[in-house]
Amino acid sequence: EPEVTQTPSHQVTQMGQEVILRCVPISNHLYFYWYRQILGQKVEFLVSFYNNEISEKSEIFDDQFSVERPDGSNFTLKIRSTKLEDSAMYFCASSEVGTSGVDTQYFGPGTRLTVL
Amino acid sequence: SQQGEEDPQALSIQEGENATMNCSYKTSINNLQWYRQNSGRGLVHLILIRSNEREKHSGRLRVTLDTSKKSSSLLITASRAADTASYFCATIMIYNQGGKLIFGQGTELSVKP
Repeated sequence: EPEVTQTPSHQVTQMGQEVILRCVPISNHLYFYWYRQILGQKVEFLVSFYNNEISEKSEIFDDQFSVERPDGSNFTLKIRSTKLEDSAMYFCASSEVGTSGVDTQYFGPGTRLTVL
Repeated sequence: SQQGEEDPQALSIQEGENATMNCSYKTSINNLQWYRQNSGRGLVHLILIRSNEREKHSGRLRVTLDTSKKSSSLLITASRAADTASYFCATIMIYNQGGKLIFGQGTELSVKP
């Protein structure tokens, strides 16, 4: 069964460093998402991406964050200058369609980001 | 506003018993989804129920939706130790190109062998 994959599974970085989290969505999906979960808290929406542009972003997704689909398969989340509070589990998700609002979003296993 | 608030926050049962988790939400929805998360792992989609559906089954899972009360419940029958996980309901907020999921805090289910 096709699945969303994410690399790395765990990333440790120093405060102020740039990190890139990578995702390979399910191949026939058109809508891509990033969510994050700070330890012990809810899963929060960060950003969605469709047709090579951001379609929606949350207030968390400030200028330090960016997303890109550099080729036909990868979807990346970049944090330009990491802060301690960016430490969280980051989940990538994808869905086949999105505008109907009834489509399932399939999640990857997550990347645990630790900022020291 | 808070969407998808689950209760109880934690539930501990014996293997073989049924587990019921509830979810309440505040605004009108298009659909409601339930996800499972094993400790420190990714989110696994369990079931989606549309706003015009009242009940849905998938294996040992039964989900109900009461749009008049803005609530949903997830029932796991004949629970197993492997069902130990956190369970989240999520509603979808639709925008121009897609929909973002709004998750609740989750119910932590512990099934003791």
